[in-house]
Amino acid sequence: KAGVTQTPRYLIKTRGQQVTLSCSPISGHRSVSWYQQTPGQGLQFLFEYFSETQRNKGNFPGRFSGRQFSNSRSEMNVSTLELGDSALYLCASSLGLGDRDYGYTFGSGTRLTVV
Amino acid sequence: KQEVTQIPAALSVPEGENLVLNCSFTDSAIYNLQWFRQDPGKGLTSLLLIQSSQREQTSGRLNASLDKSSGRSTLYIAASQPGDSATYLCAVRGGGTSYGKLTFGQGTILTVHP
Repeated sequence: KAGVTQTPRYLIKTRGQQVTLSCSPISGHRSVSWYQQTPGQGLQFLFEYFSETQRNKGNFPGRFSGRQFSNSRSEMNVSTLELGDSALYLCASSLGLGDRDYGYTFGSGTRLTVV
Repeated sequence: KQEVTQIPAALSVPEGENLVLNCSFTDSAIYNLQWFRQDPGKGLTSLLLIQSSQREQTSGRLNASLDKSSGRSTLYIAASQPGDSATYLCAVRGGGTSYGKLTFGQGTILTVHP
């Protein structure tokens, strides 16, 4: 079965621009989470969506936002990009409600470079 | 606030050695713990998932144990191979307000040389 698909794989943006990243979860998975990975901070949780609702949110500024569609696909948006937003952005999917004993499957990530 | 620590930060071993990677966490109220592997520039590949009620899980040459009360997990790799070279990450899934969030350690960079 298909895994978690993230597009695009690579992005180069200029400071001040905005960017939208996309994630398609495994078929049947209803929960999508987003993580930012940088060499200095490691993997940090951005937010999680389940059934089109944000269920949990990490400690990031309001420039980082997301949404989930009825088919469980998710997008995250970063506005007014800063150099420090350069990172690998990873999406993970899980079954969703009642899945406390199940794990997460990650996508290959989107590498964002802000110049 | 959950904190996850992995020791050692880096490890270099000759091929064929058995090795142990360590992970500790500060809040024992977890639902599960997951070990991942990450190759340079790539996403995360799940290796093993241990539920809070379990003590260990095995997959091939990998064995992971969990001692929830002491906040520790170990990943044992038997007969290491150069293809095992990667960064290994452990992540815990908490409950309550942390439900749905994984907290990661900083990882152990493993190099297995021929």
